[in-house]
Amino acid sequence: EDKVVQSPLSLVVHEGDTVTLNCSYEVTNFRSLLWYKQEKKAPTFLFMLTSSGIEKKSGRLSSILDKKELSSILNITATQTGDSAIYLCAVGNAGGTSYGKLTFGQGTILTVHP
Amino acid sequence: DVKVTQSSRYLVKRTGEKVFLECVQDMDHENMFWYRQDPGLGLRLIYFSYDVKMKEKGDIPEGYSVSREKKERFSLILESASTNQTSMYLCASARAGDPYEQYFGPGTRLTVT
Repeated sequence: EDKVVQSPLSLVVHEGDTVTLNCSYEVTNFRSLLWYKQEKKAPTFLFMLTSSGIEKKSGRLSSILDKKELSSILNITATQTGDSAIYLCAVGNAGGTSYGKLTFGQGTILTVHP
Repeated sequence: DVKVTQSSRYLVKRTGEKVFLECVQDMDHENMFWYRQDPGLGLRLIYFSYDVKMKEKGDIPEGYSVSREKKERFSLILESASTNQTSMYLCASARAGDPYEQYFGPGTRLTVT
């Protein structure tokens, strides 16, 4: 059974701090790892990491995939109150009937105080 | 921009009722998915569909069924709602070339009393 574990489960910081969110996984036939940000409603796509693209960056957010350690980190620098959200990690399985299937972690609740 | 819409944001139903949750996407995506989201458990896949009239069970299909009669529409059906199906339900879609990059609707918060 595929498994994704995120840590910490919740985090409280002040504006300007840098945070690192962790995601570890066990999955047969790894295809990709995705990060989503969820505020009040729909999760919005942030990054997808694969064997051919293990590092992604967009503004203050960056993510690295470590296939040897079966893990990924999401870094947010100079945090703002608008970064407050649930951050979801998901892993895609490429095998057989699991093709296209994502397994999600529990999520990390990030709260950024002014 | 991909747009995924769900028929209701909030829904309250009674135990034993038949419940329909509707999802529509406007990007001609082949793949569609239904998840439920519960605190501490993350998103769990209920059913997914690669094409019209096709469906595959996810991790927690018990108590649910789905229907996909048109490419843009994917319905989740609770045949006889129970209180343990109180949850946030999220629909997602993805193109055939990359089913992993999924785009989500705003969710339906279902309460079964």
